[in-house]
Amino acid sequence: DTGVSQNPRHKITKRGQNVTFRCDPISEHNRLYWYRQTLGQGPEFLTYFQNEAQLEKSRLLSDRFSAERPKGSFSTLEIQRTEQGDSAMYLCASSLKPPGQGKNIQYFGAGTRLSVL
Amino acid sequence: SQKIEQNSEALNIQEGKTATLTCNYTNYSPAYLQWYRQDPGRGPVFLLLIRENEKEKRKERLKVTFDTTLKQSLFHITASQPADSATYLCALGRGLTGGGNKLTFGTGTQLKVEL
Repeated sequence: DTGVSQNPRHKITKRGQNVTFRCDPISEHNRLYWYRQTLGQGPEFLTYFQNEAQLEKSRLLSDRFSAERPKGSFSTLEIQRTEQGDSAMYLCASSLKPPGQGKNIQYFGAGTRLSVL
Repeated sequence: SQKIEQNSEALNIQEGKTATLTCNYTNYSPAYLQWYRQDPGRGPVFLLLIRENEKEKRKERLKVTFDTTLKQSLFHITASQPADSATYLCALGRGLTGGGNKLTFGTGTQLKVEL
């Protein structure tokens, strides 16, 4: 399978613990995005990378959240001191920077469902 | 503030009929609009993209229209099948000249096609 891969698929943690999720994008894609989705809502943008550079962060991304893409390939999203409000599906997507205006079609992984108890 | 609205109520239609889903937006000037399909427990899957200077796009049984004056997109599935049952999300992007590359998604509309 050469799609976007996310691990783990499910994570249950206790409030106050730290969690880390991993995303492996489609291999030739240089852009990588993180979104958060809660029940009944569409995905909300958190941050995006072009290669290893983090180019944009949402105001939703509090200082407890940090994302990295150290070698421009896989990415990790860490949440420190988790809160119950962090419970959501965390989606990763990747795309290929197109020439000119391009299309920015994003390919999503299946997500990591986080439950904070 | 920016707002993207999709019918929050589920849409139930009979197999073979045309499903029409609506996406309305305010306080936004998109360069393009995309439609995605999402099945339970899965990530969204891209379906169609339409640019701000295009009125209509088609792909097999799918058709999307984009009216930047009305700030509305309509998404049609003709000859609907039970396998089309899913949540459909519209997403707006500003392109290279403003707002970066992020997509802003609507809340999605759940479609159920019944036999």
